[in-house]
Amino acid sequence: EIVLTQSPATLSLSPGARATLSCRASQSVGSFLAWYQQKPGQAPRLLMSDASTRAAGIPARFSGSGSGTDFTLTISSLEPEDFAVYYCQQRYIWLTFGGGTKVEIK
Amino acid sequence: QVHLMESGGGLVKPGGSLRLSCSASGFTFNDYYMSWIRQTPGRGLEWLSYTRQSGDYTKYADSLKGRFTVSRDNAKKMLYLQMTDLSGDDTAVYYCARGDTTADSWGQGTLVTVSS
Repeated sequence: EIVLTQSPATLSLSPGARATLSCRASQSVGSFLAWYQQKPGQAPRLLMSDASTRAAGIPARFSGSGSGTDFTLTISSLEPEDFAVYYCQQRYIWLTFGGGTKVEIK
Repeated sequence: QVHLMESGGGLVKPGGSLRLSCSASGFTFNDYYMSWIRQTPGRGLEWLSYTRQSGDYTKYADSLKGRFTVSRDNAKKMLYLQMTDLSGDDTAVYYCARGDTTADSWGQGTLVTVSS
């Protein structure tokens, strides 16, 4: 099973700051990595697929990069609605999720 | 817009069975693979299964050990998850989602609690 490790577990930032979230895979997943956002009491929402392709309706302040085993989700300038938990998910071998990074207001 | 709504969750005893339903609207249901995904505080998000548009091919997580069965009724725009031999480890919020290997839309989830 491919294990995805997300870091940091919690990111404390102020609105307007830049957020950099990491996802590391236990083996290469190519570019077959997605990112999701989840707010309390809600289902996850797809942000990014294939490492860097924004999903429909996702603002340009969200960007994804990486390939192989190391991936990054960057939020260029945090808006109040961006404070949430973010998950990465690979689809190279079956489908597994990372443990999440919580972006909280500092 | 895409709308998915799960139902059928609740309290079930260990060893029991439960069938979850997912109603779809706002898109052409029979054009899409559909999936079931669950979430627990302890184990996080776990992809359980996805099924092809026609329902003739379904893939399951190995961890399910054949206890869960997915089906769909395209005429009714419904997706189902039949769960058997349930244990406490199956306590989770269960989501249906559109897609096979990337979930681009999710329902709001239904809570299944397995407890005596």
